[in-house]
Amino acid sequence: ETGVTQSPTHLIKTRGQQVTLRCSSQSGHNTVSWYQQALGQGPQFIFQYYREEENGRGNFPPRFSGLQFPNYSSELNVNALELDDSALYLCASSLQGTWETQYFGPGTRLLVL
Amino acid sequence: GDSVTQMEGPVTLSEEAFLTINCTYTATGYPSLFWYVQYPGEGLQLLLKATKADDKGSNKGFEATYRKETTSFHLEKGSVQVSDSAVYFCALSGDTGNQFYFGTGTSLTVIP
Repeated sequence: ETGVTQSPTHLIKTRGQQVTLRCSSQSGHNTVSWYQQALGQGPQFIFQYYREEENGRGNFPPRFSGLQFPNYSSELNVNALELDDSALYLCASSLQGTWETQYFGPGTRLLVL
Repeated sequence: GDSVTQMEGPVTLSEEAFLTINCTYTATGYPSLFWYVQYPGEGLQLLLKATKADDKGSNKGFEATYRKETTSFHLEKGSVQVSDSAVYFCALSGDTGNQFYFGTGTSLTVIP
């Protein structure tokens, strides 16, 4: 059973650019959630996808968007990057109905200059 | 809105000491409560959970009881080990299951 994987591990972008982060769910998991973790802080919920549709959203602007594919992998897209977007981005997969147990990936560290 | 307030750290304890990390929450409805742990260089892992009032979650010697009357979910361990050194996060999930809220984390260092 493979775990949750994310790519890339690190990324440097400049303000105003766009970025796409990728996540492969744990085998058999149909729900993916994305989180932003600033340095020294707890993860903040961005959104959740289930069956390729957004199933819940935190307090993030529309320039944060996502996709979920039929194989349950997922992308997080951030447009018009700002300096404050610098953070560790985590994805977590789970089974709908057993959503209490999420399995987290190692994260993508994004630095916006 | 829903939120979690967690005891600030860092916390430094000697091996075999008793550990308490406080967590209180604000939520509508009937949330589920969690403790996650992040060991150095590793990803977040679920440590324990409780899904209704008076439930006790337990794992690896850690325990936490869901107290609705005090809106708390304090993490305890009777005798910590050096290997328990990590950052601990309290979290809650709303009763619709599609929103999660984490505390700011408490760093624990256990010295021999």
